[in-house]
Amino acid sequence: QKEVEQDPGPLSVPEGAIVSLNCTYSNSAFQYFMWYRQYSRKGPELLMYTYSSGNKEDGRFTAQVDKSSKYISLFIRDSQPSDSATYLCAMSENSGGSNYKLTFGKGTLLTVNP
Amino acid sequence: KAGVTQTPRYLIKTRGQQVTLSCSPISGHRSVSWYQQTPGQGLQFLFEYFSETQRNKGNFPGRFSGRQFSNSRSEMNVSTLELGDSALYLCASRRDRRGNTIYFGEGSWLTVV
Repeated sequence: QKEVEQDPGPLSVPEGAIVSLNCTYSNSAFQYFMWYRQYSRKGPELLMYTYSSGNKEDGRFTAQVDKSSKYISLFIRDSQPSDSATYLCAMSENSGGSNYKLTFGKGTLLTVNP
Repeated sequence: KAGVTQTPRYLIKTRGQQVTLSCSPISGHRSVSWYQQTPGQGLQFLFEYFSETQRNKGNFPGRFSGRQFSNSRSEMNVSTLELGDSALYLCASRRDRRGNTIYFGEGSWLTVV
């Protein structure tokens, strides 16, 4: 079983739809959770960073963490064609420090159709 | 402020050859890490350097190595290339060892034929 599982999609939605992206994980040591967006032929860029269970909102994006279920989600409201990209969840056991590394899901390819 | 810069962006190598990839972190960032991205395995951590020393290493064979210079610039080297080494190699920097936000470059696309 991989440490982080993410449905690769592809996911295709009409403009304006609410998008739900999810990851599950098996390593209970993961404490910090991130969502990255990666456009084609580009490097990943950080969208959201959360620590505790619960919700965190930033504009049209909401990140949700449920540590008891080892499940994280990213919601995109009023999706736009410019949101078309691969979305990667990432996790770490610690916040910075000398042994800091991110463990990624494989990514979900999202297409928002005008 | 310039982002993470990686060179070359694209390269093609033959099996058995070696390759060196270069990374310049964001100005003022002292920690550089490397990740490999493939369709099959996704993004996987290779190693991290800070103050010219490797601080952390992922589960890759010894053919993968790196180094960091006094100006924080980093190189990674892959020797005896295999077809399976074809991937996007991403460099990321963070401010220091306490930092928890890493910033990725656009990557170097390596194709091994």
